[in-house]
Parts: sequence; C-alpha cells; structure tokens
Amino acid sequence: KAGVTQTPRYLIKTRGQQVTLSCSPISGHRSVSWYQQTPGQGLQFLFEYFSETQRNKGNFPGRFSGRQFSNSRSEMNVSTLELGDSALYLCASSLVRGPYNEQFFGPGTRLTVL
Amino acid sequence: DAKTTQPNSMESNEEEPVHLPCNHSTISGTDYIHWYRQLPSQGPEYVIHGLTSNVNNRMASLAIAEDRKSSTLILHRATLRDAAVYYCILRDPTGTASKLTFGTGTRLQVTL
Repeated sequence: KAGVTQTPRYLIKTRGQQVTLSCSPISGHRSVSWYQQTPGQGLQFLFEYFSETQRNKGNFPGRFSGRQFSNSRSEMNVSTLELGDSALYLCASSLVRGPYNEQFFGPGTRLTVL
Repeated sequence: DAKTTQPNSMESNEEEPVHLPCNHSTISGTDYIHWYRQLPSQGPEYVIHGLTSNVNNRMASLAIAEDRKSSTLILHRATLRDAAVYYCILRDPTGTASKLTFGTGTRLQVTL
C-alpha cells in the first residue's frame, strides 16, 4: 500500500506570492491533517479535513487555507507569503477521525520564501 | 491538551537498551499516551500508545507509572536507525479531533 505522498517536495517562492501544496492520503483514509514544522516553533497543527469539510483549525492566520476533494486528496494554500512561512509542511492521514487513530505522515514539502 | 515534559537530548550506544522518559503530571484520567518519532528528513511515525497498562509492540515497549504522571518509552536494543526525535503526546479520547499536539521531543543519538 502506498504511503502518504506530498507534492512538490521542495519549493522556492518570493515574498508576496502564493503557494499551493498537495497531499494524497493513503488509499481509504478519509481524514487529512496539515502541520507546519519550523526550528523555532516545532511541529504545529494547521487544520484537519474530513469528508471535504474542515473539522479543526490551529492558530494560524487566514492566509493559510485548505480544502479536501471527494477522493480525500487535500491541498493547502498560503497567500501573500512572508519570510516566516519558510518551513516544512507535513500532511498526515488516518482512516477516520479521532484520537485513537494512528496518523501516517508524508515526507513533507520544504517551502523556502525569499 | 495536557502538557508533556521530555529531556531535550539523550545518547545511547548501539545494541544497548534506551529508556526515554516523559512527564505528564496534569494528565487526565482518560488521556492516552502516544509516542511518535521523526527520523532525519522524514515525517513523524507512530511508535506506540497506551492508557494504564504497559504495552509492547515490535518497535518498543511503553511503561506507564501507576499514577500515570509519567511514562517511559523503551527501545530494547538501539540501532543507528533509531536515531530520531521522539515525541510523547497525550490524546483526549473524548473528542473527535485527529490533531496531535507535539512538544519539543527528545533527540536520541545512537553511537557505535
């Protein structure tokens, strides 16, 4: 069974631009969560999607948004990029929602904002 | 989410057991204790979880104190592949959210 895939793996953008990252969950998994990892703040939860609806949101500005498609694939978008948005963006999927479920993480997208 | 406290770093020799501690003095009666680890240049991966009793799986063992205010992840024979950041996370089963609240974790170094 294929794992969680994220595209692209690396991305370089400049301040003010916008970016879209993609995540394909493990086949059959319906919950997709996104995390941001930086050296200063560590791993922080961005949002969770289930059945094409955002179910939970972390403490990030409205420039960070996401969506989920009917096949459970998810995208996250960051508009008006700032230098501080440089980070590793990780996507995780699980079979269903809930705290019992093991989260499976992808390798991440490394975003650099210049 | 209740907070966990872990040492910033630990070192171990290869093929020796490693005990990674985690303090969670404000744990609620229903919180599960989960451990994830993040190998270099990879996303985190699930290691083990438990509630009250000690747990074993193919990767590790989890020893939970009787008062549940602390736990220890045990790697029985550390290998170089086990060098990673290990995160101890409390999860509230009464909610439906899938979110994980990561702390700073323990960076484990394994040497020959």
